[in-house]
Amino acid sequence: DQQVKQNSPSLSVQEGRISILNCDYTNSMFDYFLWYKKYPAEGPTFLISISSIKDKNEDGRFTVFLNKSAKHLSLHIVPSQPGDSAVYFCAAGDFGNEKLTFGTGTRLTIIP
Amino acid sequence: EPEVTQTPSHQVTQMGQEVILRCVPISNHLYFYWYRQILGQKVEFLVSFYNNEISEKSEIFDDQFSVERPDGSNFTLKIRSTKLEDSAMYFCASRRVAVSTDTQYFGPGTRLTVL
Repeated sequence: DQQVKQNSPSLSVQEGRISILNCDYTNSMFDYFLWYKKYPAEGPTFLISISSIKDKNEDGRFTVFLNKSAKHLSLHIVPSQPGDSAVYFCAAGDFGNEKLTFGTGTRLTIIP
Repeated sequence: EPEVTQTPSHQVTQMGQEVILRCVPISNHLYFYWYRQILGQKVEFLVSFYNNEISEKSEIFDDQFSVERPDGSNFTLKIRSTKLEDSAMYFCASRRVAVSTDTQYFGPGTRLTVL
């Protein structure tokens, strides 16, 4: 059941440059989307979310873009910092259900 | 900043034994969740709980699993007779209200190892 997919298991980016993490989904019932960041031995930490009625949401260095027609969202981190090195999970939910459906994660490594 | 806490951080048990994983959600939150992540796999939803009832559960959450809010602060996940395949990280999450603008906040997880 691959309703949320993150096709890149890993990504390396130079410090100061832009990191772009991608996520695709198949379930058109999803109403909202979230990005979580996870360090080893810790729980997922919420980063940013977007409702399906928007196509962009920004919070500091983090911007999430949603393309509903393509069923695609992306997380942009600008500028990338060494502390951003972690696994990033895309998650999706819909108003009718409470559960979040997660992608498999992308390991981001920021190279100093 | 308020946070979700979980105990223990690591639990080792023998196959067939019962385990109880404990969580203290954020104090003004009303909706509670358990998720798990088997090593190398995605985070998977197990169950949601509101107003002392299960509101939704996945097909993973079979009769071996149960949840309880025994008092005003704790939220527990019990596995009655553990199997090897129950070895995973178990995450508790909570949120204040069930609307799209409200976020689920996760605890640090309990690593369950079944031998």
